[in-house]
Amino acid sequence: TQLLEQSPQFLSIQEGENLTVYCNSSSVFSSLQWYRQEPGEGPVLLVTVVTGGEVKKLKRLTFQFGDARKDSSLHITAAQPGDTGLYLCAGEGNSGYALNFGKGTSLLVTP
Amino acid sequence: GAVVSQHPSRVICKSGTSVKIECRSLDFQATTMFWYRQFPKQSLMLMATSNEGSKATYEQGVEKDKFLINHASLTLSTLTVTSAHPEDSSFYICSARPPGLDSPLHFGNGTRLTVT
Repeated sequence: TQLLEQSPQFLSIQEGENLTVYCNSSSVFSSLQWYRQEPGEGPVLLVTVVTGGEVKKLKRLTFQFGDARKDSSLHITAAQPGDTGLYLCAGEGNSGYALNFGKGTSLLVTP
Repeated sequence: GAVVSQHPSRVICKSGTSVKIECRSLDFQATTMFWYRQFPKQSLMLMATSNEGSKATYEQGVEKDKFLINHASLTLSTLTVTSAHPEDSSFYICSARPPGLDSPLHFGNGTRLTVT
């Protein structure tokens, strides 16, 4: 099983602050996905990164895939209370295109 | 866009009873669907891979006789939790991938199971 380690596990910040979430593995992934999940709902795909060194931007969110395709980061600029949620990184596992998930980063942004 | 629908969204049952959860792909056919379980404040753990027309593949530590999976058609997979116990209380989420190279995995909205 290809393990994904996420850090930090919990993050509580004030509106307007910046933050970075890390996703690391000892394995090489063909792609990594970032999801956001709100309580009581399924995860929603934010982005897929495929190419080593790739940087993708989604409004105030910046996603980076490491050159060796073993790690990824999510940076949020000027966080808003609406950014509150569980952020999950995921990579393809061994079970026929299922995804293995990191443990997630629970983000709380207070006004 | 691709939609995966789960039903019911919440279910409460008594210990010892069985509960069936349905997962449907609404606008695409899925030969494979995936079932995940998520305990409070934890990540999603893959339970099993549901294969249309053949047996499901279970992850290590998941009892196949307790979590029965039936992939009856190209748009429907069901998970039945048999003889449920309070420790089976969890958030169950299904997912499926539309056809096409590099298509992303889409998730249902989950089923909150509470066993009393």
